[in-house]
Amino acid sequence: KAGVTQTPRYLIKTRGQQVTLSCSPISGHRSVSWYQQTPGQGLQFLFEYFSETQRNKGNFPGRFSGRQFSNSRSEMNVSTLELGDSALYLCASLGETQETQYFGPGTRLLVL
Amino acid sequence: GENVEQHPSTLSVQEGDSAVIKCTYSDSASNYFPWYKQELGKRPQLIIDIRSNVGEKKDQRIAVTLNKTAKHFSLHITETQPEDSAVYFCAASKRYGNKLVFGAGTILRVKS
Repeated sequence: KAGVTQTPRYLIKTRGQQVTLSCSPISGHRSVSWYQQTPGQGLQFLFEYFSETQRNKGNFPGRFSGRQFSNSRSEMNVSTLELGDSALYLCASLGETQETQYFGPGTRLLVL
Repeated sequence: GENVEQHPSTLSVQEGDSAVIKCTYSDSASNYFPWYKQELGKRPQLIIDIRSNVGEKKDQRIAVTLNKTAKHFSLHITETQPEDSAVYFCAASKRYGNKLVFGAGTILRVKS
């Protein structure tokens, strides 16, 4: 099976802009989780989607949002970008049998 | 909420020696504990995981132990090799695989 894919791999934006990142889970997996990785805060959970519904949410401001489509692909959106949003954004997929989370390669976002 | 502490932050060992990384968690309801290895510029990859109904699990040179009473778990790597050099993250979850709370990571350097 193909692994988790994320697009784009790299992004440069300026403060105040918004950005949309995409994640395609492993075929057959219905759960997608998003994480932010920064040198200072480490790996932090953003939210999880299952069958197009947000099932879990981390402690991030409302500028961070997401959605999931009927084919399980997920997008996350960050509005009004701040310098501190510069990070590696990782998504992970989880199968119906509740197996382990498998991470995608990530999208590296740089906010200038 | 759940908090996971990981020690040490950096660990240098000679090739062939053993390496041990320790984590403690705060929420006694956590029942799933994976370990991820992340090489520079790459995605976190699962190397081993353990559920709360098991005290120890081994996979070749890698083993994980769990002490539910003390709320800590450890990663043991024996016969270390230069390719083991990476950042290792422990994590905890209340549900099998979902909403992982990560430790801060351990930089492991294996000197040849």
